Amino acid sequence: EAGVTQSPTHLIKTRGQQVTLRCSPISGHTSVYWYQQALGLGLQFLLWYDEGEERNRGNFPPRFSGRQFPNYSSELNVNALELEDSALYLCASSLDGTRYTGELFFGEGSRLTVL
Amino acid sequence: GQSLEQPSEVTAVEGAIVQINCTYQTSGFYGLSWYQQHDGGAPTFLSYNALDGLEETGRFSSFLSRSDSYGYLLLQELQMKDSASYFCVPRGSGGYQKVTFGTGTKLQVIP
Repeated sequence: EAGVTQSPTHLIKTRGQQVTLRCSPISGHTSVYWYQQALGLGLQFLLWYDEGEERNRGNFPPRFSGRQFPNYSSELNVNALELEDSALYLCASSLDGTRYTGELFFGEGSRLTVL
Repeated sequence: GQSLEQPSEVTAVEGAIVQINCTYQTSGFYGLSWYQQHDGGAPTFLSYNALDGLEETGRFSSFLSRSDSYGYLLLQELQMKDSASYFCVPRGSGGYQKVTFGTGTKLQVIP
């Protein structure tokens, strides 16, 4: 069974540009979570999608946005990139967002560098 | 609101036992998960406690006290490969509450 897949794995952008990161959850999982992990730091909660709806959002500015598609895959968009947006962006999925099963499955992440 | 406390760094000797503590505060509570993340890698699930007590999985055990909003991860017979960051993740009940990983505990195992 395929795990959570993310693309691209690495990318370099310049300040002011826009980026779209993509995530495919494990088959059958309806919940997708996005996290930002700056170098050497913990995971900061960004967004949570379940059944196509945004269910919760972390303390990030509106230029961080996303969506979930009918097949439960998800995109994270970041507009007007700033240097401090350089980080590893991790996507995770779980079977059901409301009935917690205890485990989030993570992809390998997309490493974004903003110059 | 939600809060989470873990030590930022722990150092232990190969072959020894180490305990990583976690205190949390959530609105309602389902249970407490633990994740491991090696440098440059993705977090991986270690354990989940929904009830009070100790859960054992090989060299790793996890403990939960719901009344004290406290848990710990116990690593026995430490190996060099256990050097990683460890995150406790409380799950709040009642809707789509944020799933907070926080900054975690960086464990360094030394020879």
